[in-house]
Order: sequence, then structure tokens, then C-alpha cells
Amino acid sequence: DTEVTQTPKHLVMGMTNKKSLKCEQHMGHRAMYWYKQKAKKPPELMFVYSYEKLSINESVPSRFSPECPNSSLLNLHLHALQPEDSALYLCASSQVDSRPGEQYFGPGTRLTVT
Amino acid sequence: ILNVEQSPQSLHVQEGDSTNFTCSFPSSNFYALHWYRWETAKSPEALFVMTLNGDEKKKGRISATLNTKEGYSYLYIKGSQPEDSATYLCASVNTGNQFYFGTGTSLTVIP
Repeated sequence: DTEVTQTPKHLVMGMTNKKSLKCEQHMGHRAMYWYKQKAKKPPELMFVYSYEKLSINESVPSRFSPECPNSSLLNLHLHALQPEDSALYLCASSQVDSRPGEQYFGPGTRLTVT
Repeated sequence: ILNVEQSPQSLHVQEGDSTNFTCSFPSSNFYALHWYRWETAKSPEALFVMTLNGDEKKKGRISATLNTKEGYSYLYIKGSQPEDSATYLCASVNTGNQFYFGTGTSLTVIP
């Protein structure tokens, strides 16, 4: 199984809502990533988890809260978002110990904040 | 933040034509260069990973080269087919294992 799954595929939320994005992989990868991609821009790294611990936070606002409950799951909790947070949110995973680590991506969650 | 650039932004070719695109990246602290193929509504799919200057990789009709000294990589598609239509993304990885993506080249192959 070389698949990374993400749910939901699409999400529309208001600025006062709380919602969560989910990502799952069963490849035994111990590194997982959240990226944000705005239209016509490259994916930008938000967070990296390594062995279920947050290892990189690219100065992301606290209205985005990542969580890695186990080695297969990665969540992104959303609260009090702004319309400019509307984007495609991509999850990826890779092996930690082999470099250069090939990342496997999910199809993304298209988020619209109204 | 590394500035990874891809050109052209978009490309339309006829079925059977061969084509190529460019990924340029800063060569300092370079570790690896990745190419991904991304079809609409699907996951980006890894094509190649290259690390050494002069590396060449091939998968079917698609091949890639790497020049780390001048900071560029070419992706070639020989005899394009409609199913090759996708966005081709490159990512430069630095010695800190951080990925920096380009904006992609959108390829449309016209039957």
C-alpha cells in the first residue's frame, strides 16, 4: 500500500468554525508533512513530524494546530481561520532514515474559508 | 527560502511530439532534486530523485538530467501521449532535508 489518504476532499468553513483535516498512511513512514498550496504558487511546507514529534514548524499561525496521534495518522486542526487561508492542503509522508527521502503525497483537501 | 523556478509555466504539444522543461534552483547547500507528476484531483506522484551532478534517470519515455554546478534539471518526454498531460513539479532539497517546490509546468498533450 503506497497510498496517502486525506479527508475530506473539500471543506467549506466559516471563520468561527473549528474543523480538522485528516491524513493517513500505512507505509511505515515515520515522517509526515503538511503543505499549503495557493493557486499558481508552489506548495509551502507548514509542519514536519518525525517519529510522532513535531520537528519543524515553519512559523505557521496558531490557528493551525497539527497533531500526530500515532505513526499512521496526522491531523491538522483549524480554528478561527481567515479567508486568505483558503488553499489546497497537502499531506505527505516519507521514511526518516533514508536520504534523500522520497515523499509520498495525498490528493489534498481543498479548503475554502468564508 | 530557496527560489526554485520552472519554465515554461504551461505547454501545449501535439501527440507524438517530444518536449522538455526546466527546473532551476540555487546550487548552494544542495542535496537532491525531485520531479513529481501531478494529475488534476490526484496525488503528486514521484518520478525521479537525483543527487549527483550529471545524474540521468529514465522511466519509459520520460527522462531527467541534473546539473548541480549550474543549478538546473531538465525533464524530457519523448513521443508525448495524452495521458502525459499533467503538472510536472520539481523540488530542491537542501542539506537540512527541507523541500522547496517550484510552481510547476502544466503540460497538455493534444490528441
